[in-house]
Amino acid sequence: EAGVAQSPRYKIIEKRQSVAFWCNPISGHATLYWYQQILGQGPKLLIQFQNNGVVDDSQLPKDRFSAERLKGVDSTLKIQPAKLEDSAVYLCASSLDGGILYSPLHFGNGTRLTVT
Amino acid sequence: GNSVTQMEGPVTLSEEAFLTINCTYTATGYPSLFWYVQYPGEGLQLLLKATKADDKGSNKGFEATYRKETTSFHLEKGSVQVSDSAVYFCALLYNNNDMRFGAGTRLTVKP
Repeated sequence: EAGVAQSPRYKIIEKRQSVAFWCNPISGHATLYWYQQILGQGPKLLIQFQNNGVVDDSQLPKDRFSAERLKGVDSTLKIQPAKLEDSAVYLCASSLDGGILYSPLHFGNGTRLTVT
Repeated sequence: GNSVTQMEGPVTLSEEAFLTINCTYTATGYPSLFWYVQYPGEGLQLLLKATKADDKGSNKGFEATYRKETTSFHLEKGSVQVSDSAVYFCALLYNNNDMRFGAGTRLTVKP
């Protein structure tokens, strides 16, 4: 099966600019996650979708971050305006319905964002 | 809060050496525990998991035992290969969707 696709692989922007990341999950996976991985740290959940509804966005900095999953398939994560501390790898993951315990996370290769 | 702490890297071993990567956790209730691996140029992938105390997860020669008394889930392999070079992440799952990852440990195996 095709894996989780993310684009772009790399992005360099200046602070206060905006940026968007795209994710296409594995076909049939109802649940989609966005994680932020700062250098030297483990991934941290930003937002979780179940189909096209938000399940958990408690750790999403909503003043600058937004995400959507139209039609319950592809998803876009946006940052506007970016800050230096947003430099990180943004990981998309998907899983079948039923929770992570029974349907493991499948991760994409991530988008590495550098804010200068 | 729920969290995991894993040993800092990097870890460098010779081929066929014994590997241990330590992981301890803090959690309320009864979490499930995981090890994920990230090979160079690839996304994170599940290596093994354990869902309750005394369970042993195993895969590709790696093992980890869920120790409730020591709140640990150490990753072990008896004989590492060059192809095991990767970053290893310990993770804790709480409430079926709240996954908390450790900072990762980079392993390099030299021939």
